[in-house]
Amino acid sequence: DAGVIQSPRHEVTEMGQEVTLRCKPISGHNSLFWYRQTMMRGLELLIYFNNNVPIDDSGMPEDRFSAKMPNASFSTLKIQPSEPRDSAVYFCASSLAGRGGTQYFGPGTRLLVL
Amino acid sequence: AQTVTQSQPEMSVQEAETVTLSCTYDTSESDYYLFWYKQPPSRQMILVIRQEAYKQQNATENRFSVNFQKAAKSFSLKISDSQLGDAAMYFCAYRSPRANSKLTFGKGITLSVRP
Repeated sequence: DAGVIQSPRHEVTEMGQEVTLRCKPISGHNSLFWYRQTMMRGLELLIYFNNNVPIDDSGMPEDRFSAKMPNASFSTLKIQPSEPRDSAVYFCASSLAGRGGTQYFGPGTRLLVL
Repeated sequence: AQTVTQSQPEMSVQEAETVTLSCTYDTSESDYYLFWYKQPPSRQMILVIRQEAYKQQNATENRFSVNFQKAAKSFSLKISDSQLGDAAMYFCAYRSPRANSKLTFGKGITLSVRP
């Protein structure tokens, strides 16, 4: 299995620009999670999907952030407009639905907003 | 809300020796899952070991084992025969039994391995 795939691996952009992060979950997994990791706040959940439907987006910091999952094999996290405080590592994770589903993480996208 | 505490920010171990990383958590749930994830300098989050709270037996994966003390809400990770490749940040995480619930992470501990 290829594991969770994220792109790009690194992104450097200027404040005000739109940023789109992409994720392909493990085939057969029907739950997908977006996490953000910063020095100040550690690892925190932004949003998660079950069967392509957003279940909990309470962690999305503000309206500048949006996430979609148009099908079972693809999700995007978009930041528009980006700000320097959005600089972080963004992880996508996937799991099988159910009580015991272990979450497997992608390699992350390191975002730097100048 | 559940919380996970890793009170030791850093630890060091001599190669081939054994080290124990501590983790405590707070929850009102009786059934849940606990995990240790490893994050090497590459930033990849790698699952090390998983424990189901309703199982009394401590989980083991090769050189990695846990000491799960449910009453004390303690979940420590023991690494035996430490190797240079074990140097990384280690995160303890909690997950509710509700389907597809999020992981709640501790702040992590940086483990260095001395050759």
